[in-house]
Amino acid sequence: EPEVTQTPSHQVTQMGQEVILRCVPISNHLYFYWYRQILGQKVEFLVSFYNNEISEKSEIFDDQFSVERPDGSNFTLKIRSTKLEDSAMYFCASSGRGGLAGAQSEQYFGPGTRLTVT
Amino acid sequence: DAKTTQPPSMDCAEGRAANLPCNHSTISGNEYVYWYRQIHSQGPQYIIHGLKNNETNEMASLIITEDRKSSTLILPHATLRDTAVYYCIVKLTGTASKLTFGTGTRLQVTL
Repeated sequence: EPEVTQTPSHQVTQMGQEVILRCVPISNHLYFYWYRQILGQKVEFLVSFYNNEISEKSEIFDDQFSVERPDGSNFTLKIRSTKLEDSAMYFCASSGRGGLAGAQSEQYFGPGTRLTVT
Repeated sequence: DAKTTQPPSMDCAEGRAANLPCNHSTISGNEYVYWYRQIHSQGPQYIIHGLKNNETNEMASLIITEDRKSSTLILPHATLRDTAVYYCIVKLTGTASKLTFGTGTRLQVTL
């Protein structure tokens, strides 16, 4: 069964450093997402991406964050200058096209990258 | 997206049916009801979704009331591996629309 994969599983970085989190979505999916979950808190939406551009972003997704689909398989989240409060699990998700009129189908999540900023 | 209300926790004996309720009284006509679960700190896992008809798949059944203001997720024979946080999410259809997670229901399946 196809699945979303994420690397690394755990990333430790120092405050102020840049990190890139990588995701390989399910191969025929068209919509890509990043979410995060701070320990003990809700899963929060960061950004959605379709047709090589951002579709929607949350208030959390400020200028320190960027996303890219550098090739036909990878989807990355970059944090330019990490802060302590960026420590969280970061989940990538993807969805295909399904249902009537091409409506978006269900989202499938990867296992997450645990980012620890020290 | 409409707001949902779920009980914070529930217990279920292994082998019995787990019935997880969700209220979504402000749901609009083109919003679907989605259920996801999160086992420990793993990525959320899609379970099932529906618009107005009851739905069933290999994981669960979804019962939506006729007025669509509430729904119930049914795990017919709960196992210890079903212990997780279950999220009921109401979402518009359409391109790249986000999932808004609440606090969900923590289901504990016991022997």
